[in-house]
Amino acid sequence: KNEVEQSPQNLTAQEGEFITINCSYSVGISALHWLQQHPGGGIVSLFMLSSGKKKHGRLIATINIQEKHSSLHITASHPRDSAVYICAGDYGNKLVFGAGTILRVKS
Amino acid sequence: DTAVSQTPKYLVTQMGNDKSIKCEQNLGHDTMYWYKQDSKKFLKIMFSYNNKELIINETVPNRFSPKSPDKAHLNLHINSLELGDSAVYFCASSQDTQETQYFGPGTRLLVL
Repeated sequence: KNEVEQSPQNLTAQEGEFITINCSYSVGISALHWLQQHPGGGIVSLFMLSSGKKKHGRLIATINIQEKHSSLHITASHPRDSAVYICAGDYGNKLVFGAGTILRVKS
Repeated sequence: DTAVSQTPKYLVTQMGNDKSIKCEQNLGHDTMYWYKQDSKKFLKIMFSYNNKELIINETVPNRFSPKSPDKAHLNLHINSLELGDSAVYFCASSQDTQETQYFGPGTRLLVL
């Protein structure tokens, strides 16, 4: 069993919809990362958070340390948001990744 | 200017060969990493270096040998390539451990 679990595995949404991707981890971490992998393969770091909430444009990431759970929200989704979203637990010297959520936003 | 660069972008080779992948970062970061992404797109840490010192070797076969000639470079040499080594290999860097990581574009390795 992976230490970091993501859901859903696949997600299809209509343009404009509010999207939530969930991530849970089994043991304590120093931080939680959210990454985006474009269809072309490049990986971009979206957020790194250890408590509370962070916002960047239409993206919001939250973390609940007690419940060992984080969520990534996308407001007013757009087809250009289509990508794989990956959460990763930061265990100090290494990241342990979730399996990723494949998001497709249809126009 | 590319922050984290990798060469080559694509690598097709025969089983048993030895190959190297190079990684360079121009961000002035102290920590560099190698990750492997398998055919199911699952990412896993292979190695991490901090100030040219190895800090993580995540049970990678010793056919894989990272080399860090200086803080800006972390190269990956693979001996006796096997079919199962086919994957995308990503290099990344961060200012220190437990910081935001910046990824290279990936090297797609295909072993025939």
